[in-house]
Amino acid sequence: EAQVTQNPRYLITVTGKKLTVTCSQNMNHEYMSWYRQDPGLGLRQIYYSMNVEVTDKGDVPEGYKVSRKEKRNFPLILESPSPNQTSLYFCASTSGPGTEAFFGQGTRLTVV
Amino acid sequence: GQNIDQPTEMTATEGAIVQINCTYQTSGFNGLFWYQQHAGEAPTFLSYNVLDGLEEKGRFSSFLSRSKGYSYLLLKELQMKDSASYLCAVRYTGRRALTFGSGTRLQVQP
Repeated sequence: EAQVTQNPRYLITVTGKKLTVTCSQNMNHEYMSWYRQDPGLGLRQIYYSMNVEVTDKGDVPEGYKVSRKEKRNFPLILESPSPNQTSLYFCASTSGPGTEAFFGQGTRLTVV
Repeated sequence: GQNIDQPTEMTATEGAIVQINCTYQTSGFNGLFWYQQHAGEAPTFLSYNVLDGLEEKGRFSSFLSRSKGYSYLLLKELQMKDSASYLCAVRYTGRRALTFGSGTRLQVQP
């Protein structure tokens, strides 16, 4: 079954404690993205990757890092989380820019 | 900016037809997506329009007018399970990120 898998689904953490949210896809897609979703603001892209070792900033990259060492994995790293990063996060993958995106189940992050 | 505008909430009756509108800035337009998102779940793809006209997929249809910067999603024979948020997203030339609207929350009532 084609899918994008994120972990964890829920996470409560404290300010400043580094965390990683994992994302893996089994569709051999080249393009992967991270989004955050906040009430009234819609989905906003954090980072984007066109292929292994190729990443680029999206609209709201501050406070986040990513890596793409393998085609299937695209982890999101928060080196020093802050309360304004409390949000619902989605990983997505596509086979190309004009094709449908497949989204992971979401990670609800709370930073206290 | 590249604002995407959609109504925040809509209510409709089971079995009826509902139209959800989306307007966007036309400069650099390169395709429009509609996604469905149930509460607490991931968005799922519904449709993609890049040329003017109507695309039909079962009970769902999507229309695009590039000159007017306007799209709508038409849902027919509404079912209770259609209660969800519907997201309009536009691809602009030169931008890697899709620009998403805030979504329209549709409530289907018996």
